[in-house]
Amino acid sequence: AQKITQTQPGMFVQEKEAVTLDCTYDTSDQSYGLFWYKQPSSGEMIFLIYQGSYDEQNATEGRYSLNFQKARKSANLVISASQLGDSAMYFCAMRSLSNFGNEKLTFGTGTRLTIIP
Amino acid sequence: GAGVSQSPRYKVAKRGQDVALRCDPISGHVSLFWYQQALGQGPEFLTYFQNEAQLDKSGLPSDRFFAERPEGSVSTLKIQRTQQEDSAVYLCASSLEKKAGYTFGSGTRLTVV
Repeated sequence: AQKITQTQPGMFVQEKEAVTLDCTYDTSDQSYGLFWYKQPSSGEMIFLIYQGSYDEQNATEGRYSLNFQKARKSANLVISASQLGDSAMYFCAMRSLSNFGNEKLTFGTGTRLTIIP
Repeated sequence: GAGVSQSPRYKVAKRGQDVALRCDPISGHVSLFWYQQALGQGPEFLTYFQNEAQLDKSGLPSDRFFAERPEGSVSTLKIQRTQQEDSAVYLCASSLEKKAGYTFGSGTRLTVV
């Protein structure tokens, strides 16, 4: 079984500052993928960044980077130079890459990020 | 189309009524997923298709929930005899390959009264 834990229900950050959203996970799989999604008030889930468990380098996508610490089973999202449009719910998720056909994502409970002007 | 399209966007059903929620995935996407998201929670997996084959339906909460994808493209999630606890946003997602992330639709917000 897989489990994602996001311990920050809500965060307030000043515009232009960097912010780190925490995510820890638990899995017995050796090969897995970690995802971050953004969900604005409109409801759509927007894919932000992906990290494979065997990727040697931390993933980066523009202002988003993933601080992957495999031994600690953590996959924190870092947003640099935050903008007002970053205000949204953020979900960490994972899926197994080990079992053929087992493609479902397991999500955490999310962190509501509010950027203050 | 350019994205995953879900309809209706909002649905109000009386308790006991049957509902059908539609998902039109991105053209060519093999995998299609349904998730249920209760208010203030993360999405919970319901079921998964690869083309027309339903490979995993372990997340369907009861036999009142049924999903199909007969031609490997459009999918329908049907809920029979709706109950208040079925009120949630139902999200559909499709994907082309495992590492690319899944593309989600905007969801259908179901309210059972």
